Amino acid sequence: GAVVSQHPSWVICKSGTSVKIECRSLDFQATTMFWYRQFPKQSLMLMATSNEGSKATYEQGVEKDKFLINHASLTLSTLTVTSAHPEDSSFYICSASRGQRLQETQYFGPGTRLLVL
Amino acid sequence: QQQVKQSPQSLIVQKGGISIINCAYENTAFDYFPWYQQFPGKGPALLIAIRPDVSEKKEGRFTISFNKSAKQFSLHIMDSQPGDSATYFCAASIIQGAQKLVFGQGTRLTINP
Repeated sequence: GAVVSQHPSWVICKSGTSVKIECRSLDFQATTMFWYRQFPKQSLMLMATSNEGSKATYEQGVEKDKFLINHASLTLSTLTVTSAHPEDSSFYICSASRGQRLQETQYFGPGTRLLVL
Repeated sequence: QQQVKQSPQSLIVQKGGISIINCAYENTAFDYFPWYQQFPGKGPALLIAIRPDVSEKKEGRFTISFNKSAKQFSLHIMDSQPGDSATYFCAASIIQGAQKLVFGQGTRLTINP
């Protein structure tokens, strides 16, 4: 149990285009989803926290208009990188947290590698 | 105060040996300390986690030792195997509220056969 999927796993796009990444909890309802960014050989940096049906909470320094997050249901959150540029190339990982009793456990997706040309 | 400091940055251990990774934190409000294992190109996977009310937790070959007074915790991998070669991240969070995880810098572990 507690499987989180991401789609796509790989995306290459031209500079200036927008890219949408989906994060799904497959076998549980996620009250909270998190989006992270990871550069090569570096740690995970939290970008934003989202709860179903409400606006995402962004970390300091993360542009809200650049990284649009939608948490439309208890099993789906999307991250849209708008007007992507080469510096947005990175590994994007989502995680999901389930239920009140196990609220402290985050289950991570396999990640999406974005390359902006 | 929100940082979690992890060491070493990289570690090489012989097969069958013990791998030890250390983490330290400052924020005494942290009350959940998980360890994650990440293989190249994959997302992190929860390995083992501990709450501050216990000093040690063991699951198979993996053990977390927790020292609340020193604000330190460590991961011990017994009988290390080549398949354990991965990057390991410690993390900390506060269960109440946003449950945001603060990650350590990561340790790249290599187990030589």
